[in-house]
Amino acid sequence: LAKTTQPISMDSYEGQEVNITCSHNNIATNDYITWYQQFPSQGPRFIIQGYKTKVTNEVASLFIPADRKSSTLSLPRVSLSDTAVYYCRRGDSNYQLIWGAGTKLIIKP
Amino acid sequence: NAGVTQTPKFRVLKTGQSMTLLCAQDMNHEYMYWYRQDPGMGLRLIHYSVGEGTTAKGEVPDGYNVSRLKKQNFLLGLESAAPSQTSVYFCASSPRSDTQYFGPGTRLTVL
Repeated sequence: LAKTTQPISMDSYEGQEVNITCSHNNIATNDYITWYQQFPSQGPRFIIQGYKTKVTNEVASLFIPADRKSSTLSLPRVSLSDTAVYYCRRGDSNYQLIWGAGTKLIIKP
Repeated sequence: NAGVTQTPKFRVLKTGQSMTLLCAQDMNHEYMYWYRQDPGMGLRLIHYSVGEGTTAKGEVPDGYNVSRLKKQNFLLGLESAAPSQTSVYFCASSPRSDTQYFGPGTRLTVL
């Protein structure tokens, strides 16, 4: 059974780098890994997507090792506004999109 | 450019009542999705559509029906609501099956 597992919650402090890891042991060859951010009473918002190695954009980096059994979302120098729920999602072009249960990230001053 | 909109934002139903949730997108996306979100369970796909006139079942389709008569609209229907359908419902659209754009959600309570 394909599963996507991530920690339920994490705490950190302003200015720190935060790494959230997602486990996806049975990842399929065609699956991409995508991370979303969700604030209360809003829909999830796309952060970053990758297939292998490292991807970086203006808000985050995504590290995917060669075996692709896990992925790590890295948020550099977080602020209070980064407090949100972060979802890991795997999926392929056949719409088999599997979401993790989400990681509640709390940033403290 | 409104993106993805959902109507209504909130609704309370009695068991056995029916209702339709409307999702509209103005980005000319081919693909549209309906999800439900329950505490501690992330997002679960109810139904999806890969284009106008097409629909397909997702992970948890029972008790729901959908229609995609126009490319920009995706309707989710509950024929006979049950308390187990109390949830937050999100609609999403995408130009491909990867990057999805979500609406603000509909909070449904079934008494």
